[in-house]
Amino acid sequence: AQSVTQPDIHITVSEGASLELRCNYSYGATPYLFWYVQSPGQGLQLLLKYFSGDTLVQGIKGFEAEFKRSQSSFNLRKPSVHWSDAAEYFCAVGPGFGNEKLTFGTGTRLTIIP
Amino acid sequence: NAGVTQTPKFRVLKTGQSMTLLCAQDMNHEYMYWYRQDPGMGLRLIHYSVGEGTTAKGEVPDGYNVSRLKKQNFLLGLESAAPSQTSVYFCASSVRGNGANVLTFGAGSRLTVL
Repeated sequence: AQSVTQPDIHITVSEGASLELRCNYSYGATPYLFWYVQSPGQGLQLLLKYFSGDTLVQGIKGFEAEFKRSQSSFNLRKPSVHWSDAAEYFCAVGPGFGNEKLTFGTGTRLTIIP
Repeated sequence: NAGVTQTPKFRVLKTGQSMTLLCAQDMNHEYMYWYRQDPGMGLRLIHYSVGEGTTAKGEVPDGYNVSRLKKQNFLLGLESAAPSQTSVYFCASSVRGNGANVLTFGAGSRLTVL
């Protein structure tokens, strides 16, 4: 069965500092990987996705993620965070097509301090 | 461009009462989903639909029913609410085929069962 692990429940970083959010997955085939962001009181919004090709993918709001098959990881990074990045971040894995569901991680809450 | 709209946004029920959450999307998406979000558990799929008139069970379907009489609408019903159904409910939609796992979410409906 597929699964996603986000080992950090809560991370606090200073504004302007770099950020890395961890995501590890278990999937029997080539995974389709996603990062979604949920701002307070809002629904989830797609940040970026990996289907194939270049293992470093760029997303919205200056985020990027790197797919490492050997480590079963898809970590999210940003070189310099802004106060508006405070949100909850969800990693997800799925087959990419058909009527199968995504499997979401439990989320990492990001707090930004001035 | 409304995207995915959920109503109501907030609701308080007493144990045993019934209610229906409405999800409407204006993107002509084939697939629609209902998730619940609970602290520390991420998003879990309740039911989903791959097209008008069809529904299927997700990971946590017990206590819920759904209907998709029109392509743009997906209703989630609770026949006899229980305190364990206190949660934030999210509706989402997606296209068919490759890219089906890229979801567009509504803003959520917060349900409290007393």
